[in-house]
Order: sequence, then C-alpha cells, then structure tokens
Amino acid sequence: DGGITQSPKYLFRKEGQNVTLSCEQNLNHDAMYWYRQDPGQGLRLIYYSQIVNDFQKGDIAEGYSVSREKKESFPLTVTSAQKNPTAFYLCASSIAGDSNQPQHFGDGTRLSIL
Amino acid sequence: AQRVTQPEKLLSVFKGAPVELKCNYSYSGSPELFWYVQYSRQRLQLLLRHISRESIKGFTADLNKGETSFHLKKPFAQEEDSAMYYCALKGSGNTPLVFGKGTRLSVIA
Repeated sequence: DGGITQSPKYLFRKEGQNVTLSCEQNLNHDAMYWYRQDPGQGLRLIYYSQIVNDFQKGDIAEGYSVSREKKESFPLTVTSAQKNPTAFYLCASSIAGDSNQPQHFGDGTRLSIL
Repeated sequence: AQRVTQPEKLLSVFKGAPVELKCNYSYSGSPELFWYVQYSRQRLQLLLRHISRESIKGFTADLNKGETSFHLKKPFAQEEDSAMYYCALKGSGNTPLVFGKGTRLSVIA
C-alpha cells in the first residue's frame, strides 16, 4: 500500500530548530491530515486540509504549521515553539465530502529531540 | 463535541477465547464509526466500518445508538490478532476522524 509516503522515517531535531516532515499521496484524495501519536494518548489531530490552498487547525495546532500548495503534498513544519515535539507523526488522506470514506495512513515519522 | 472513549488500555486474552474491545462515543448527530488496527511495525489500517456491516478477520462491530457504543467482537481470538486497536468517529460533512486512545490487545498462546 504505497499510496501515502511519509519521509523521513526518523528525524532528529536540535533545540530551537524548525523541521519539516514530508507527506505525499498518489491516491488523488482531496483531504489530507496530520496526527500526532503518543503512548496512551491515541491520535490527536494537528492540522487538516480539505482542498488545495486551504487548511484548518486541529486540536493541537500550536507550534506547528502546514501548507497545501499541491493536491498530493501536505508538509508539516514543527517549529521551535512546539515545546514537546518528540512523538510519532502520522499523515492520512481521504476522499472529501463523503463521511463514509475512511482515511488511509502513511508509515509515520518518528521525531526525536537531540 | 465529538468524543470517543476506549476504557481499556490493555486487554489480554487466551487464544481461542472471545474478545470484546469496548468503544463508546459522544455525538449529537448520526455518526460514522470505524475500527482501525495497527499491527507491530505496520501502518495504521482500516479494520471495519459500521456502514458496511461486514466481518473482517472474524471481527464484527455493531452500532448501538441507544448505548452510544460500537464494541468490536471476535468469538475466538488468534495470536495474530495481537495489535493496537483504535475506535474512530466521523461526524457529518467534511470533519476529520476523532480517535479514541486505543486498546492494546494481547492474545496469549
């Protein structure tokens, strides 16, 4: 299932640095999502985008930023303002406008602080 | 507000025993409910959704609107069922999925 590709698989950040996580999909999905997965916390929504050049904040958007310049790409930037960035980040996509359609997930990126 | 509650962090059962992973939700409208599974070293993937009323890998889940529940059941657990299971809810329109905190199922041989 190579529909959604996240890179890199592992990422290390120094204090004060911004880092960008890549998410690309070839499923022709309009909607894309970023989640953060922490042990015991489940998946928490960071940002999502239903269409190109538009995106909305999720539940934990502080310290993160996104862009959606192309339909297939939805990069996530973890800024220095994010005080606890160490986590596993999951990108997903889905067909927009139909609540029955499931989300498809990438393999994830594990971010660690040096 | 939309909320999904999975009361058990960890559920351990013996091989061949029945399994029930609990999921309760809070939503004022008509929700779409999903179960996702994450096996070790694999990506999160859809297991089943209530609209399909299907059985996948022997698992079933029935939406009970009166009890606002969507419990996942399997009559005879297998070792390969050991994984992390997430219940998720989708409201109307273009709203993202809301996930529960997950339940780790461990099937003991």
